[in-house]
Amino acid sequence: RKEVEQDPGPFNVPEGATVAFNCTYSNSASQSFFWYRQDCRKEPKLLMSVYSSGNEDGRFTAQLNRASQYISLLIRDSKLSDSATYLCVVSNQGGKLIFGQGTELSVKP
Amino acid sequence: ETGVTQSPTHLIKTRGQQVTLRCSSQSGHNTVSWYQQALGQGPQFIFQYYREEENGRGNFPPRFSGLQFPNYSSELNVNALELDDSALYLCASSIGQGDTGELFFGEGSRLTVL
Repeated sequence: RKEVEQDPGPFNVPEGATVAFNCTYSNSASQSFFWYRQDCRKEPKLLMSVYSSGNEDGRFTAQLNRASQYISLLIRDSKLSDSATYLCVVSNQGGKLIFGQGTELSVKP
Repeated sequence: ETGVTQSPTHLIKTRGQQVTLRCSSQSGHNTVSWYQQALGQGPQFIFQYYREEENGRGNFPPRFSGLQFPNYSSELNVNALELDDSALYLCASSIGQGDTGELFFGEGSRLTVL
């Protein structure tokens, strides 16, 4: 079993749609959680951290459920520029970041 | 621009050859992590260097080795190349051991093994 597993993609949605990505992790000792974004043929970049209380950054909302070892990312009012691959990332002891396989999002006009 | 630079950007090797990839970290960052990203997959952790010492290793064989220099730049060496080593190799720098979760990635070195 992979340490971090994400919804298989791709997700194809119209502009303005709300889309949700899900992620599960296997190591209950995992300490920190993040979403990264990777544009086609580019390097990954930090999108946002994920906190147990849930956190929001504009149109993006991240949630963490430690009991279920589950992380989510919600994007509201999708824009064409949101098209990218979204990577769920878990930090284990010592700060090593473990990436999921990524979920590709394509927002169409 | 993250300030992390990698070289070469693209290279082609044949099975059995050796390759060295280089990374210059962002100014002030003392930690470098290396990742392998195969097509359609997420980055896989290879190892991390902190203040010139290996500080954690993923599930990669010993023919993957590395170095970090006093200026915190780093090298990834792969011996006895195999076809499955074809991938994008990403270097990421951070302050400390990355507990904040923010890694600054370079644009990667795309390796093709024929």
